[in-house]
Amino acid sequence: AQSVAQPEDQVNVAEGNPLTVKCTYSVSGNPYLFWYVQYPNRGLQFLLKYITGDNLVKGSYGFEAEFNKSQTSFHLKKPSALVSDSALYFCAVRDPYSGNTPLVFGKGTRLSVIA
Amino acid sequence: DADVTQTPRNRITKTGKRIMLECSQTKGHDRMYWYRQDPGLGLRLIYYSFDVKDINKGEISDGYSVSRQAQAKFSLSLESAIPNQTALYFCATSDTGNTEAFFGQGTRLTVV
Repeated sequence: AQSVAQPEDQVNVAEGNPLTVKCTYSVSGNPYLFWYVQYPNRGLQFLLKYITGDNLVKGSYGFEAEFNKSQTSFHLKKPSALVSDSALYFCAVRDPYSGNTPLVFGKGTRLSVIA
Repeated sequence: DADVTQTPRNRITKTGKRIMLECSQTKGHDRMYWYRQDPGLGLRLIYYSFDVKDINKGEISDGYSVSRQAQAKFSLSLESAIPNQTALYFCATSDTGNTEAFFGQGTRLTVV
């Protein structure tokens, strides 16, 4: 079965500092991995995905994530945090070898960027 | 106009009532999903459909049913609402397995 874990419920970072939001996954084969962001009273917005290829994936709003197969991780990063990055972030995984299965989401990490 | 539209956006209903949440999409995607969001629990899958004739249960389907009326429409029903079904409900669509899902704005449902 596929699963994803976000070990931190809350991450606090000062504006201008680098940020990392952690995600680890469990699948039987090579995963498809996704990051989404949710702003208050909004739906989820897609940030970036890893399907295959370069382990470093760049996405929207200056975010990037690195796929690390040996550590089964896909941490979201940004070199310099903005107050406007404060939101709820979700990691999601799909195991393409499990047939037509939908995305499985983590429990979310709330990012707070402090001015 | 939004690509994935959910109606209503907010709803308060009484215990025991039947309620339907509707989702329509203009993205032309075959795959549609209903998720439920609860604080601290993330998004959990209720039902999903990969085409008009396909309905599949997710991890928390008890107490819910769905109807895929057309490629563009996927509705979620609570046959007899109970207070622990109070949550934020999201509809989503996707094209294929390796593409991202697109989400509606959500329906905030309160069962009193």
